[in-house]
Amino acid sequence: NAGVTQTPKFRILKIGQSMTLQCTQDMNHNYMYWYRQDPGMGLKLIYYSVGAGITDKGEVPNGYNVSRSTTEDFPLRLELAAPSQTSVYFCASSPVAGTNYGYTFGSGTRLTVV
Amino acid sequence: GESVGLHLPTLSVQEGDNSIINCAYSNSASDYFIWYKQESGKGPQFIIDIRSNMDKRQGQRVTVLLNKTVKHLSLQIAATQPGDSAVYFCAENGRGSGNTGKLIFGQGTTLQVKP
Repeated sequence: NAGVTQTPKFRILKIGQSMTLQCTQDMNHNYMYWYRQDPGMGLKLIYYSVGAGITDKGEVPNGYNVSRSTTEDFPLRLELAAPSQTSVYFCASSPVAGTNYGYTFGSGTRLTVV
Repeated sequence: GESVGLHLPTLSVQEGDNSIINCAYSNSASDYFIWYKQESGKGPQFIIDIRSNMDKRQGQRVTVLLNKTVKHLSLQIAATQPGDSAVYFCAENGRGSGNTGKLIFGQGTTLQVKP
């Protein structure tokens, strides 16, 4: 049982490049989330999903896209990287909404856009 | 707008002392609050949670206090140890989170434990 796995752990992108941040969980959780964490700040919600085939925007969705074709995977896509997207990205999952009991985070992807 | 804030960015305590980390929230509709611990280079880890129908909840060496009148949340760590050094975040479920489980996070307080 690996929990929430994020890849890659580190990445440097040039302005305008694209990439996909991978997130997979093996706990059969319905709810999955992408947060970004800027230096010295809390986490801000980018996108979330309440189940396979269902996604919705969070607080800061601009510049990102997601898909949820399976329960396990919730990739985050950056189409045209900008310096403002330099951040640490965390994926999380939860079995139950309304409470966050069992809200499990991955170890993060540190992205730098230059 | 909604916000969850922490009173101090850094808290330095002596090993063995008790630590108190504070958090103010603005959304009176929030009914669920969580404290997370984030060690360097890792994702946040759940510490303890509390529902709005409670004003205190205890775990192992940790206690969360909720004062709904002034919208204040605190995390108390007893006998602070070097392994407690980390950034601590409070989070609330916010208005309209419904059945989505979305959280609103505060900025975080860095706890430094001096030997």
